[in-house]
Amino acid sequence: AQRVTQPEKLLSVFKGAPVELKCNYSYSGSPELFWYVQYSRQRLQLLLRHISRESIKGFTADLNKGETSFHLKKPFAQEEDSAMYYCALRSSNYGGATNKLIFGTGTLLAVQP
Amino acid sequence: DTEVTQTPKHLVMGMTNKKSLKCEQHMGHRAMYWYKQKAKKPPELMFVYSYEKLSINESVPSRFSPECPNSSLLNLHLHALQPEDSALYLCASSQDRRFGGNTEAFFGQGTRLTVV
Repeated sequence: AQRVTQPEKLLSVFKGAPVELKCNYSYSGSPELFWYVQYSRQRLQLLLRHISRESIKGFTADLNKGETSFHLKKPFAQEEDSAMYYCALRSSNYGGATNKLIFGTGTLLAVQP
Repeated sequence: DTEVTQTPKHLVMGMTNKKSLKCEQHMGHRAMYWYKQKAKKPPELMFVYSYEKLSINESVPSRFSPECPNSSLLNLHLHALQPEDSALYLCASSQDRRFGGNTEAFFGQGTRLTVV
């Protein structure tokens, strides 16, 4: 079965501190992994996808197939990073073109001044 | 235009009412989704449409009835809902995964539904 685990419900850090939001997944095939962010009163939006290996707003995430992890990292947290972060996996077991996007339970990042 | 637009933003309905939620996108996406999100919980997939055909139904009760009249529109018809159905209903769209490339899902702002 496909599953995404985010062990921390809340992560509180001070401004300027490093941040790591953990994500582990369970999937038998070749996963497509994403990080989505939901700022207060805003729509859910894509932050990163593993296939593009990019850095957005200072965040990076590396897919580690050996550890089945896709942790989100940022070296220096900013107050505006405070939001709910969801790790998501797109599975392909349905065989069709449109695949189920499964979300983890989310981690609320609170960056204190 | 990279937006998914949902109407209405807020809806209050009685348990005997019939109402519809609407979703529209003009990005040429051929996959459209309905998600339900309760407070402080992740989005939970309800339905997926692919090329205007229902491809995934996550065992959703029949009081929720989706419809995809064309490639840009997605509706969710509601009838005889229960108070526990109160939630934020999110619509999303994406490219068809078969063509590779960017399969990012774009989300609407959601409809905040309250069933009284």
